[in-house]
Amino acid sequence: AQTVTQSQPEMSVQEAETVTLSCTYDTSESDYYLFWYKQPPSRQMILVIRQEAYKQQNATENRFSVNFQKAAKSFSLKISDSQLGDAAMYFCAYRIIQGAQKLVFGQGTRLTINP
Amino acid sequence: GAGVSQSPSNKVTEKGKDVELRCDPISGHTALYWYRQSLGQGLEFLIYFQGNSAPDKSGLPSDRFSAERTGGSVSTLTIQRTQQEDSAVYLCASSLAGGSYEQYFGPGTRLTVT
Repeated sequence: AQTVTQSQPEMSVQEAETVTLSCTYDTSESDYYLFWYKQPPSRQMILVIRQEAYKQQNATENRFSVNFQKAAKSFSLKISDSQLGDAAMYFCAYRIIQGAQKLVFGQGTRLTINP
Repeated sequence: GAGVSQSPSNKVTEKGKDVELRCDPISGHTALYWYRQSLGQGLEFLIYFQGNSAPDKSGLPSDRFSAERTGGSVSTLTIQRTQQEDSAVYLCASSLAGGSYEQYFGPGTRLTVT
């Protein structure tokens, strides 16, 4: 069974600084997707960034980038120039490409931004 | 266009009562998912609908949980004889068909069983 592990229940960073959130996963599949979702207090899950496992290049979206290490099954999220609006729960998630489309989530990391 | 909507936003019920949670997906999205988020936890998959195919019910925790999707659009998650451990946020998501498409989430229903 696929599992996703986020080992940092809480993280904090100074505004404008850079922070990295960790995620590891376990799977026997060779093709899959990895995601980072943000959940603010409004509860709505918002997709931050997505990585296809067959792509070697790390995905980037503005201030958000990932470090995808397929052999190590590691998928960390780097947030540069942190802003107060980045404060939220962040969830790492996995999904296989074929078959069941469900997302498998980690336990989440609560990110606090200090002004 | 409108996103995924869920109702009610919050629901408080007494132990043993039945509850129905509703999800309106984005128009044109053929795939619909229900997840459960217990306090301080990640999301747990419950059930998945895709078009006219038989739903994937592999995540439903007990036979007290059921869901249906009428006309390929609105979905209702029903919990019978609620228990305190059913207290959680229930999130619905929808997407276009196919594995490469993003799942869009609704704001969830917070269920509290007293």
